Amino acid sequence: AQSVSQHNHHVILSEAASLELGCNYSYGGTVNLFWYVQYPGQHLQLLLKYFSGDPLVKGIKGFEAEFIKSKFSFNLRKPSVQWSDTAEYFCAVNRSWRGSYGGSQGNLIFGKGTKLSVKP
Amino acid sequence: EPEVTQTPSHQVTQMGQEVILRCVPISNHLYFYWYRQILGQKVEFLVSFYNNEISEKSEIFDDQFSVERPDGSNFTLKIRSTKLEDSAMYFCASSDKGRYGYTFGSGTRLTVV
Repeated sequence: AQSVSQHNHHVILSEAASLELGCNYSYGGTVNLFWYVQYPGQHLQLLLKYFSGDPLVKGIKGFEAEFIKSKFSFNLRKPSVQWSDTAEYFCAVNRSWRGSYGGSQGNLIFGKGTKLSVKP
Repeated sequence: EPEVTQTPSHQVTQMGQEVILRCVPISNHLYFYWYRQILGQKVEFLVSFYNNEISEKSEIFDDQFSVERPDGSNFTLKIRSTKLEDSAMYFCASSDKGRYGYTFGSGTRLTVV
């Protein structure tokens, strides 16, 4: 079965510090990878996604992630965090699969999330 | 930007009661999903729905749960006899072709007392 591991439960940084949140997945096939952010009291918002091509993916708000297939990793990075980045970050994966009807489907498997607290 | 709309935002119900959580997916999306997040835990997949039928469901989605697309716009999750452990945030999501990303609604916080 697929699973997603986020090793850091809670990360505390000062503003302007660099951020790297780890994400590892277990699945032998081709996958699509996602990072979602959940600001306090709000819904999940997509930060970035990887399907294929350049393994370095740039998302919104200055975030980027690098897919390293050999390590089954998709770590999220940001060079300089801001107080407004305080939120919970979820890595997610689904299988890249094309069904007989020409589309593809796949439920997202989420990691447990990493809570980021940025001190002003 | 198109949104997935969920109502109500918060529902309190007594144990054993039936609840219906409502979602209006993005109009041209074909795939619909329900996820839930118990407080302090990860987001868990419940069910996916395509072409007017369930395409995949998790072990959480047992006989007390059902989903329906009663008309062309709404997508509902029904919990027949709520239990305390059903208390969670329930998220609806929709997508155009599954792999191309999902748009989540703002969630319904269900509190079973």
